[in-house]
Amino acid sequence: DTGVSQDPRHKITKRGQNVTFRCDPISEHNRLYWYRQTLGQGPEFLTYFQNEAQLEKSRLLSDRFSAERPKGSFSTLEIQRTEQGDSAMYLCASSRRIGVRGGPQETQYFGPGTRLLVL
Amino acid sequence: AQKITQTQPGMFVQEKEAVTLDCTYDTSDQSYGLFWYKQPSSGEMIFLIYQGSYDEQNATEGRYSLNFQKARKSANLVISASQLGDSAMYFCAMREGPGANSKLTFGKGITLSVRP
Repeated sequence: DTGVSQDPRHKITKRGQNVTFRCDPISEHNRLYWYRQTLGQGPEFLTYFQNEAQLEKSRLLSDRFSAERPKGSFSTLEIQRTEQGDSAMYLCASSRRIGVRGGPQETQYFGPGTRLLVL
Repeated sequence: AQKITQTQPGMFVQEKEAVTLDCTYDTSDQSYGLFWYKQPSSGEMIFLIYQGSYDEQNATEGRYSLNFQKARKSANLVISASQLGDSAMYFCAMREGPGANSKLTFGKGITLSVRP
């Protein structure tokens, strides 16, 4: 049983550097999501893909953030010119669309997350 | 207004006893889904249980059950026969409406500590 995987699990970087995270979803899942979680808070939605199409982006996703899912399989999240406020856990999740438009019963399965610390 | 409210800052329960974790939600949609996730200290979000707004019966999954009171907009998680491994953060989340609005909105979470 292969779940959602994320790489790296931990990343320490200096302010101003660029970082890239990878997420590999469950193989038959066509929807992929990125969330950010800061200390003491619940995850907050960043963006999601259906296959290779990026269908929704949160206002939290500033111009320094970019996400891709080029072949509808794995996804990358890049943060350019990192700031200390970017320090957080970045969670990836995947789900399988149910029905033509999808439905509220779709369960999102999460990966282990990437902990980012910006010094 | 917050869409998901979890006000209990921390809960303690004795091993083998039952515990209820509270969650209230706010939505104007008729079709929505409610989820509970567990997050141990390792950080991974583990799916526990799902309740649909049109489901007539409360959801159950092993030791987990959801006390769904639609009129009061509450979806409390009940864990029976608590185990030491249940110590973790617990998050309530909601997915509103069908189709394109696919994201989950989470509450701030509740810390559960199980005492031996």
